[in-house]
Amino acid sequence: AQSVTQLGSHVSVSEGALVLLRCNYSSSVPPYLFWYVQYPNQGLQLLLKYTTGATLVKGINGFEAEFKKSETSFHLTKPSAHMSDAAEYFCAVSERNYKLTFGKGTLLTVNP
Amino acid sequence: EPEVTQTPSHQVTQMGQEVILRCVPISNHLYFYWYRQILGQKVEFLVSFYNNEISEKSEIFDDQFSVERPDGSNFTLKIRSTKLEDSAMYFCASSVVEKLFFGSGTQLSVL
Repeated sequence: AQSVTQLGSHVSVSEGALVLLRCNYSSSVPPYLFWYVQYPNQGLQLLLKYTTGATLVKGINGFEAEFKKSETSFHLTKPSAHMSDAAEYFCAVSERNYKLTFGKGTLLTVNP
Repeated sequence: EPEVTQTPSHQVTQMGQEVILRCVPISNHLYFYWYRQILGQKVEFLVSFYNNEISEKSEIFDDQFSVERPDGSNFTLKIRSTKLEDSAMYFCASSVVEKLFFGSGTQLSVL
């Protein structure tokens, strides 16, 4: 069975600082991994995904994530936080392309 | 960019009543899904739908839930007799392959 653990339900950074949101997964087969963002009163928007190939994945809005099989991790990073990055971020894993298992989410706050 | 549309954005109902949540998936997508998020909890998979039938459902998706694609464009989730614990944000999603597009959700409040 697949599962996702997001470390830290709330992360607070200053504008311009590095953003690091942690995600560890468990999967019985090579996983597909996703990061979604949810802005207030909006749906889930795909930031980036890893399926196969290059382990460093670049997404929208300057975010990237690196798949590390040995660490079963897929942490999300952005070099310099912007106020507009404040949102809730969800890591998700899929073993069969369509059924996603989500983490509990990490609320990112960006301070001026 | 094309988007998944959900209506209504907020639904309030009395316990025991039937509700229908509506979704218009992206037009060329083949796979359709419902997920839900109870306040403070994870987003949970409910059901997937392909080729006019359920392809997979979770333990949450019991006999009080049903899905339908009545007219080739809409995709609905029906809850026959709502319970207090059904209060949640319900997300519809559609996909061609592994990239799911989510709607903005329907907040269901059962009183």
